[in-house]
Amino acid sequence: GAVVSQHPSRVICKSGTSVKIECRSLDFQATTMFWYRQFPKQSLMLMATSNEGSKATYEQGVEKDKFLINHASLTLSTLTVTSAHPEDSSFYICSARFRAGGHNEQFFGPGTRLTVL
Amino acid sequence: GDSVTQMEGPVTLSEEAFLTINCTYTATGYPSLFWYVQYPGEGLQLLLKATKADDKGSNKGFEATYRKETTSFHLEKGSVQVSDSAVYFCALRRNTGGFKTIFGAGTRLFVKA
Repeated sequence: GAVVSQHPSRVICKSGTSVKIECRSLDFQATTMFWYRQFPKQSLMLMATSNEGSKATYEQGVEKDKFLINHASLTLSTLTVTSAHPEDSSFYICSARFRAGGHNEQFFGPGTRLTVL
Repeated sequence: GDSVTQMEGPVTLSEEAFLTINCTYTATGYPSLFWYVQYPGEGLQLLLKATKADDKGSNKGFEATYRKETTSFHLEKGSVQVSDSAVYFCALRRNTGGFKTIFGAGTRLFVKA
């Protein structure tokens, strides 16, 4: 199946700094990518939908100025957590929409664990 | 709005036991239904899916049947292994309107040797 990568896999940062997480579709082009957040022992909550070449669509309650999303190319979306605080510590997972030849699937990245001290 | 409800865990079984994880959904129309598995420290992997009523998804010994009349998509496996220990998420996705996937809360499975 199609592969989605995330970088970094783990990051530890100090409170007040910004952290960028990359999501790449390695062997297909993705016009749409999604960013999820997962708290310990909880489900995935959709944060935003990232569309190549346009502004991201954020879910209700997600601060767009805090979680900056850029989908600069058909294979790359980035999530920047600005002025991170300990409550932003979480597991962030991206996914990419794969559309080709009648297939319409969603593939997930391995996740990025963010710890804010 | 759309939602997915699955049984709370954790579920603890002995090796070779029969597994059922219940999942019901609420959605308008005919969504696609999925089971994903998450191993410790990893992202999600698609386990199986069904796209229309009465479809049966199957993979690695796991099965689930799309039941429109009961709005359910229960996951079953006849004989679990220690390596099946993971968190299982039931999910739905509408086939129109944004391609969003809605997840259940997840059920943690422990399989003892």
